[in-house]
Amino acid sequence: EVVLTQSPATLSLSPGERATLSCRASQSVASDLAWYQQRPGQAPRLVIYGVSMRATGIPARFSGTGSGTDFTLTISSLEPEDFAVYYCQQRPNRPLRFTFGGGTKVEIK
Amino acid sequence: EVQLVQSGAEVKKPGESLKVSCQTSGFSFPNYWIVWVRQMPGKGLEWVGMVYGDSDGVYNSSFEGHVTISTDKSISTAYLQWSSLRASDSAIYYCARQGVGAITGTPILDFWGQGTLVAVSS
Repeated sequence: EVVLTQSPATLSLSPGERATLSCRASQSVASDLAWYQQRPGQAPRLVIYGVSMRATGIPARFSGTGSGTDFTLTISSLEPEDFAVYYCQQRPNRPLRFTFGGGTKVEIK
Repeated sequence: EVQLVQSGAEVKKPGESLKVSCQTSGFSFPNYWIVWVRQMPGKGLEWVGMVYGDSDGVYNSSFEGHVTISTDKSISTAYLQWSSLRASDSAIYYCARQGVGAITGTPILDFWGQGTLVAVSS
């Protein structure tokens, strides 16, 4: 079973700064890695899928990179609405399941 | 427009039963997996299980035997139910549609319900 470890747990930054979030898998997950954003009191929202593809409506300041076991979500210049919790996620074919990382909270410094 | 609308908040006592619903519209319900995700207070996301069409649910081993996932295709609705609730079941439960990434073909949770708060307390 793949375990996803996110770091840091909390990232304290100011609007306009660059955010770099990490997700490490316990074994290779190829290109099956997604990121979700969850604002307070809201359901999660898909941000990035297939490691680097932006979901519909996601602005270009969000980008995803990585391969194998190490993945990164970068927000190039933080906007007020970007302060939220971000989860990485993977879904293997066998066994059929979804795995989430523990989350990184991006908070206003 | 794809929508997943969940039933309202519930307050229950330990040992009681509960069935929460996820009514969908805007897509062909029998052709998609519906996924359930738990979020305990102040915690992260946990996969509970998933169901496709009329098939049996597939469960996280941590939840298997304690919850049942089912569907009613005639009304495009998925359900998550408990026969005997515990205080530790207190959480927000989300349903989500498993779609497929447009270019990569990888599975994604592309649409989510608003969440159902379940509170279990004596």
